[in-house]
Formats: sequence, structure tokens, C-alpha cells
Amino acid sequence: DFQLTQSPSFLSASLGDRVTITCRASQDIRNYLVWYQQKPGRAPKLLIHAASTLQGGVPSRFSGSGSGTEFTLTISSLQPEDFATYHCQQLNDYPVTFGQGTRLEIK
Amino acid sequence: QVQLQESGPGLVKPSQTLSLTCTVSGGIPSSGDYYWTWIRQPAGAGLEWIGRIHYRGNTYYSPSFESRVTISLDTSMNQFSLKLTSVNAADTAVYYCARWYNKSPFRWFDPWGQGILVTVSS
Repeated sequence: DFQLTQSPSFLSASLGDRVTITCRASQDIRNYLVWYQQKPGRAPKLLIHAASTLQGGVPSRFSGSGSGTEFTLTISSLQPEDFATYHCQQLNDYPVTFGQGTRLEIK
Repeated sequence: QVQLQESGPGLVKPSQTLSLTCTVSGGIPSSGDYYWTWIRQPAGAGLEWIGRIHYRGNTYYSPSFESRVTISLDTSMNQFSLKLTSVNAADTAVYYCARWYNKSPFRWFDPWGQGILVTVSS
């Protein structure tokens, strides 16, 4: 299986901060890495696919980078609505796998 | 705009079969660009992929569920379904259905249903 390890698991930050979340794959997944945002009681929302392509309607303060085994999600200036849990997912090969999630909270 | 909605019992007894349906508003196209997929999320935990089905009916299941799971498709009803047999408390989770766009190099799950909580308890 292609294991994904997110770090950190928990992140406390302030409004306006720049934050980065890392997702590491156990094997090369090329650029088939997707990022989702999930708020409590809600389904995950697609943010970024192909490691760095922003989904339509997603604010430009979100960006993704990486290929192969190391990927990052960056939020350039945290807004109140950004406090949520972020999940990475690999779609390079079966079985589909997700990272364990990163919970982003207000400091 | 395509929307997905899960339905089914919210409570299932141990050793019984969990059965859920996902209704796709806007229809299930005869397109090789999409799969229809199930994911679950135990309380306070991460997302677990269960399996997927193609409009032609071919399936692929996660090895974690392969021995217990069946996903089926009814295009006339614009629905696909999940059956998970021999459930136990560890199968208690929110279950999501989603559309998987799969036209290389573009792959993603979107949209997702709102999710349905299934509790396994006697």
C-alpha cells in the first residue's frame, strides 16, 4: 500500500499566519496527490488536485506543491474559515489511501 | 450540478449486514471518466477508502474490506449501493459516497454526499 503520513497531526496558529502541512508518501506517487478540507460535521471539500492545481472557487491563499514522495499544503494568511481538518489522499494506485489528517485550530 | 445523498439504516446489529444507497442527482453518465466510490470515517479518526464501481459494473475494493463488501450500481435509478457483511462495533462510522473523477492526469473525489452515521450496536 502507499502509506501517507501527515505532519503535524495538530497545529495551532493565529489569524494571518502562514502555515504549512506536509504529506509524505511511502513510495513514489508521482503527482497524484489531493488535498481536502473538512469542517466538523461536514463532508470533505476538494481543495487541490494533482498536487498543485487549485480547484475552482478555492481561495488563492491555498497552494500545494511537491511530487514523488513529499508534498506540502500552504495557507499564506489564515482566515477564520480556514480552521478545519486537512486530509491528503493518493490516487496513484490502489488501494486509495488518505493521510491521518491535520487539525488546524486557532491559537 | 451533481449532488450525492446517502440513505439507509442508522443502526445495525452486530453480525448483520450494513446496507446503504447513494442517490446521484443529475444521473450516472455512461462515461469512463468517473467511478462511484464509498469512504468511511470513524468518529475522531481519518478517512478510509472502501471501494469503487465503474458504470460498466466493474469494481475494486480495498483489501481491508474485500472479503465483506459489495458495491453495486443501478443506473436506471441513478443509485449505487454498499453492502458490508458481518459488521461489528469497529464498523461504526460516518459513511460517505462520492464521485471519483479519473481522467489522467486529473483524479479527485468530488462531490461528496453529506455522510450518514451508521452505528453498530445490539
